[in-house]
Amino acid sequence: ETGVTQSPTHLIKTRGQQVTLRCSSQSGHNTVSWYQQALGQGPQFIFQYYREEENGRGNFPPRFSGLQFPNYSSELNVNALELDDSALYLCASSQTGLYGYTFGSGTRLTVV
Amino acid sequence: DQQVKQNSPSLSVQEGRISILNCDYTNSMFDYFLWYKKYPAEGPTFLISISSIKDKNEDGRFTVFLNKSAKHLSLHIVPSQPGDSAVYFCAARLMDSSYKLIFGSGTRLLVRP
Repeated sequence: ETGVTQSPTHLIKTRGQQVTLRCSSQSGHNTVSWYQQALGQGPQFIFQYYREEENGRGNFPPRFSGLQFPNYSSELNVNALELDDSALYLCASSQTGLYGYTFGSGTRLTVV
Repeated sequence: DQQVKQNSPSLSVQEGRISILNCDYTNSMFDYFLWYKKYPAEGPTFLISISSIKDKNEDGRFTVFLNKSAKHLSLHIVPSQPGDSAVYFCAARLMDSSYKLIFGSGTRLLVRP
């Protein structure tokens, strides 16, 4: 049983640029959530996808967007990067109806 | 507004003793509470959970207690081992369409040999 894999592991971008982060769900999981973890804080919910549709969103601006594909993998896109977007971005997958979320190791994004 | 709070940023205990990590919440619309453990350069790993209708859940060395009237939960680790040294996050699952997790800010546990 493979876990959640995220790519890339590290990324450095310039303010104003766009970035795409990728996530492969754990086998059998059909729901994907994205979280942002700033330094010294807990993960904050960005949004969640189920059956390729967004079914929940946290307090993040529209320049944070996502996709879920038929194989349940997912992308997180961030446009017009700001310095405060520097954080660890975590992807979590789950099977709908169960509370167990499996997290990936995250992508460390640095915006300079 | 912080709906889930971990007021102790760090905790240090001696190997073999009990570690108690605390968490407070303000929202009554949580149906599950979960504890995650995180090592550097890794994602959070699920440790133990408790339903909002239970008072206690035990799994080996780990026990979680829920006090609904005080909106407080705690994680007990007995006996503590050096390998338990990590950041522990309390999380609550919100009963909305997304069942998203709301996390606390974490407590760094150091177990001294």
